Amino acid sequence: SQQGEEDPQALSIQEGENATMNCSYKTSINNLQWYRQNSGRGLVHLILIRSNEREKHSGRLRVTLDTSKKSSSLLITASRAADTASYFCATDDGNAGNMLTFGGGTRLMVKP
Amino acid sequence: KAGVTQTPRYLIKTRGQQVTLSCSPISGHRSVSWYQQTPGQGLQFLFEYFSETQRNKGNFPGRFSGRQFSNSRSEMNVSTLELGDSALYLCASSLQREFGGELFFGEGSRLTVL
Repeated sequence: SQQGEEDPQALSIQEGENATMNCSYKTSINNLQWYRQNSGRGLVHLILIRSNEREKHSGRLRVTLDTSKKSSSLLITASRAADTASYFCATDDGNAGNMLTFGGGTRLMVKP
Repeated sequence: KAGVTQTPRYLIKTRGQQVTLSCSPISGHRSVSWYQQTPGQGLQFLFEYFSETQRNKGNFPGRFSGRQFSNSRSEMNVSTLELGDSALYLCASSLQREFGGELFFGEGSRLTVL
């Protein structure tokens, strides 16, 4: 079963615009991660935010975490056509090894 | 450093057959996890191995099994294939002994069951 729900399911923007994706989850978490997947290929880790952190930055990525609302958001600034991909949030509860529970993903299309 | 390698990349099987998929983790990584990805169910955890021991198992029938060898390479096996087993099977490795760290994924093995 999926822990998280992602919103929106699909997003289409123009190059240079910002893209915001949201993730909600159901149970207490240890960490929350964001991954990217290009068209049916492997997932690539983008960023990890711990449950005691509220915001984290990595290049053009900004992730926020609100544990009281059980939600996270991923912001990609100044998007590029190469950012076109599916983005997934994934959580772990700290008790089950490297078992991650993934959200349904957001399909992002960036038009040149 | 080489990434996670999965073989085969594509395969076609018929119902009732069995399949074995292989995963070579990044050198030095001792944790290997397997995930199934389908359009309907999304990404679902199958199992995780650490130092040749199964550390966790997802909610899949016993037809799905796996193992890890002393060199950390892992295999998963699906017996008595069903149409619903058609999926992208992803392997991921991790360096960390502790929980919930970054996973490094392979490109996947795409299984089609006819």
